[in-house]
Amino acid sequence: DAKTTQPTSMDCAEGRAANLPCNHSTISGNEYVYWYRQIHSQGPQYIIHGLKNNETNEMASLIITEDRKSSTLILPHATLRDTAVYYCIVMGNNNDMRFGAGTRLTVKP
Amino acid sequence: GAVVSQHPSWVICKSGTSVKIECRSLDFQATTMFWYRQFPKQSLMLMATSNEGSKATYEQGVEKDKFLINHASLTLSTLTVTSAHPEDSSFYICSARETGDYGYTFGSGTRLTVV
Repeated sequence: DAKTTQPTSMDCAEGRAANLPCNHSTISGNEYVYWYRQIHSQGPQYIIHGLKNNETNEMASLIITEDRKSSTLILPHATLRDTAVYYCIVMGNNNDMRFGAGTRLTVKP
Repeated sequence: GAVVSQHPSWVICKSGTSVKIECRSLDFQATTMFWYRQFPKQSLMLMATSNEGSKATYEQGVEKDKFLINHASLTLSTLTVTSAHPEDSSFYICSARETGDYGYTFGSGTRLTVV
């Protein structure tokens, strides 16, 4: 499975956009990029996923570079409830989901 | 959307006893479920893949005789921690995927404390 690299932590001001980067330079052509988040003591929550094209849903936008070696999750208007650990995951060919260390996002008032 | 229910949400047990954790897909069938363990301030670690009607596949370093997995139906997988010890205290989480969906849905987790 392709390994992902994310910053350990990030801060964001409430109401501003939060941009969370992820490197996945060894990603294969048919592997998807998934983003999940985990709020303290809860199970991970699905945010968004993509293969090549940029994606947007009601929670976030996902920007994937043309070479697919990196991506950015964008929370357009961060709120205090968006404080969580965000995981960027590359789904392997055997369809299991393995988590890296993630980015701890703190949204500050 | 798909819902995965995990029970119990927390449990305290005495050292040497066994604890069973249930993972149910409430509104869909799941031929495959996954079990994770998470220690404080760490990421989720995949323990095993639970396959309906067949033996589970365990990750390297996970003792299959200690963490018994049973996936007897398309909506239920159970994880039994046998002869639990304090070092087994952790947050256990399961996940499943509905056929046709891309992502996995996670349960709310079970916090196990062994005293």
